[in-house]
Amino acid sequence: QVQLQESGPGLVKPSQTLSLTCIVSGDSISSGGFYWNWIRQRPGKGLEWIGQIYSSGTVSYNPSLKSRASMSVDTSENQISLRLRSLTAADTAVYYCARGVDLGDYHDLWGQGTLVTVSS
Amino acid sequence: DIQMTQSPSSLSASVGDSVTITCRSSRSIRSNLNWYQLMPGKAPKLLIYSASNLQGGVPSRFSGSGSGTDFTLSISSLQLEDFATYYCQQSYSSPPTFGLGTKMEF
Repeated sequence: QVQLQESGPGLVKPSQTLSLTCIVSGDSISSGGFYWNWIRQRPGKGLEWIGQIYSSGTVSYNPSLKSRASMSVDTSENQISLRLRSLTAADTAVYYCARGVDLGDYHDLWGQGTLVTVSS
Repeated sequence: DIQMTQSPSSLSASVGDSVTITCRSSRSIRSNLNWYQLMPGKAPKLLIYSASNLQGGVPSRFSGSGSGTDFTLSISSLQLEDFATYYCQQSYSSPPTFGLGTKMEF
């Protein structure tokens, strides 16, 4: 059974860079037909898609993040990573990784999420 | 970006009730509409994909319909574990966007 588990620092200072990791277990991250997403939920707000990455390294980001986000994939460790720079309080959120299904573009598996608070 | 509007934002119901949540897109998204269930501290769960397809393992009391700009998620005979927040999401064009959610309460 495929599972996703996010991990991160919990608390980050404004202007710093956030680094998050999502470890995928139960299947290879290189399995065909899937891609990997980061999605966040800010307090009292809806869900916001941050970006996606294929195991090949092909990435796509939400323009709303103004190029602050970068994603990478490590197929040997079966994990994906997110870096978000120039943090502000508005980046405080629960960050989720989710598996995307190519045929249909829906997110069929999610991690439990990791809370990130941006505060000095 | 395509805007997704969900209604109602909250819904009061009881066990055994049948409920319907609506989702409207700012332009046609054909059938590229998905529904998710979120509960605090748990991994979000895909319920319905491509407007009307039930995800494996999801109870048959959940159903979805619609195409174009108007969609619905229906839940018949509500169970205790269905009290959660539901989100629609369009996957027609990038960036994928979500509705603001419908919180189901007692």
